[in-house]
Amino acid sequence: TQLLEQSPQFLSIQEGENLTVYCNSSSVFSSLQWYRQEPGEGPVLLVTVVTGGEVKKLKRLTFQFGDARKDSSLHITAAQPGDTGLYLCAGAGNQGGKLIFGQGTELSVKP
Amino acid sequence: DTEVTQTPKHLVMGMTNKKSLKCEQHMGHRAMYWYKQKAKKPPELMFVYSYEKLSINESVPSRFSPECPNSSLLNLHLHALQPEDSALYLCASSLLRLTGIGLNTEAFFGQGTRLTVV
Repeated sequence: TQLLEQSPQFLSIQEGENLTVYCNSSSVFSSLQWYRQEPGEGPVLLVTVVTGGEVKKLKRLTFQFGDARKDSSLHITAAQPGDTGLYLCAGAGNQGGKLIFGQGTELSVKP
Repeated sequence: DTEVTQTPKHLVMGMTNKKSLKCEQHMGHRAMYWYKQKAKKPPELMFVYSYEKLSINESVPSRFSPECPNSSLLNLHLHALQPEDSALYLCASSLLRLTGIGLNTEAFFGQGTRLTVV
């Protein structure tokens, strides 16, 4: 069974702090995706990482894919209240079209 | 058009009612999904349609009945629901294209339907 373990599940920080969210698995994934979801909205795709060791930057967000393609991390620099939301990692499952989601990280950034 | 549109946005229904949720996308995506999401939890997959055929049913109770009339539309018919079925129901679509490194499953989600069963 493919599982994605995401940590931490909850994070409450002050504006300006840095944070890292981890997404780990014992299974190899061909790619991993990160989504951000605001209350009352659907998840929005932030990035897809596909190559082992890959690093992608999206403004203050840095995404990394592990060399073995079993883990990924999301680092946010100088967090802002607008970063508040549920962050989800997801990978392609063995069944065609199925996405495996991590448990999510509920991030709250206080001004 | 990069949107997935879901209607209605909110729905309150009694346990004896029959209602339908609707989802539409015009991105040419060949996979469409229904997810159920409880507060502060990840989306739980319910159904996957691939090329308009039901390819995955995650052992969902028969009171939920999906339908894919064409490649752009996806419906979820609801009948005799229970209060514990109250949740955010999300529709998503993906290109489902085979790339050099595997299947592209990047999903585009709708805003969801907030369902309350009373």
